[in-house]
Amino acid sequence: DVKVTQSSRYLVKRTGEKVFLECVQDMDHENMFWYRQDPGLGLRLIYFSYDVKMKEKGDIPEGYSVSREKKERFSLILESASTNQTSMYLCASSFVGLAGGRNPYEQYFGPGTRLTVT
Amino acid sequence: SQKIEQNSEALNIQEGKTATLTCNYTNYSPAYLQWYRQDPGRGPVFLLLIRENEKEKRKERLKVTFDTTLKQSLFHITASQPADSATYLCALDRTGGYNKLIFGAGTRLAVHP
Repeated sequence: DVKVTQSSRYLVKRTGEKVFLECVQDMDHENMFWYRQDPGLGLRLIYFSYDVKMKEKGDIPEGYSVSREKKERFSLILESASTNQTSMYLCASSFVGLAGGRNPYEQYFGPGTRLTVT
Repeated sequence: SQKIEQNSEALNIQEGKTATLTCNYTNYSPAYLQWYRQDPGRGPVFLLLIRENEKEKRKERLKVTFDTTLKQSLFHITASQPADSATYLCALDRTGGYNKLIFGAGTRLAVHP
């Protein structure tokens, strides 16, 4: 079974702190994604990575950065946390390509980190 | 820009009935459409994928239709059970490659005994 784990389920941080959210997947997936989920807004893509050290901005990258030094690990960094970054953060990963009849559009999600910035 | 709309109001149905959820999209012609289930406090889980050249897809009690003319997908759960209560998200492949998805906000389904 594909497993995507996130470093914390719940996190409380103060305004201005630097926050690190870690995500690890164990299926050798090339693609990894960070989303935030807010009521009524659905999942919004923050950043994604298609290979080690490769990253691209999603829809709402402002105030965030990412790091992917190893294939299995993708970190989201809040440079200076603000109250409007209080949200549920979800990490996901996916294959690339159609080998073996697999679905490259299926994303495997971690359990999420509920971050509160006070 | 691409836009997906799902009914934001919760759907309440009686156990044993068929639940039907709607996903509408605009400004795009996706090649794939997917449905995910999300339980409270958990990440979404993939359920079904349907391609643009497929009209209907089934998996056990689940059925998905895809009407590219209407730009709409319907998601049906037959013989619904309380365990089917969850939020269901619609997702489309999006432009720009890398298998990126755009998600709808989801519809919450509550199945009552």
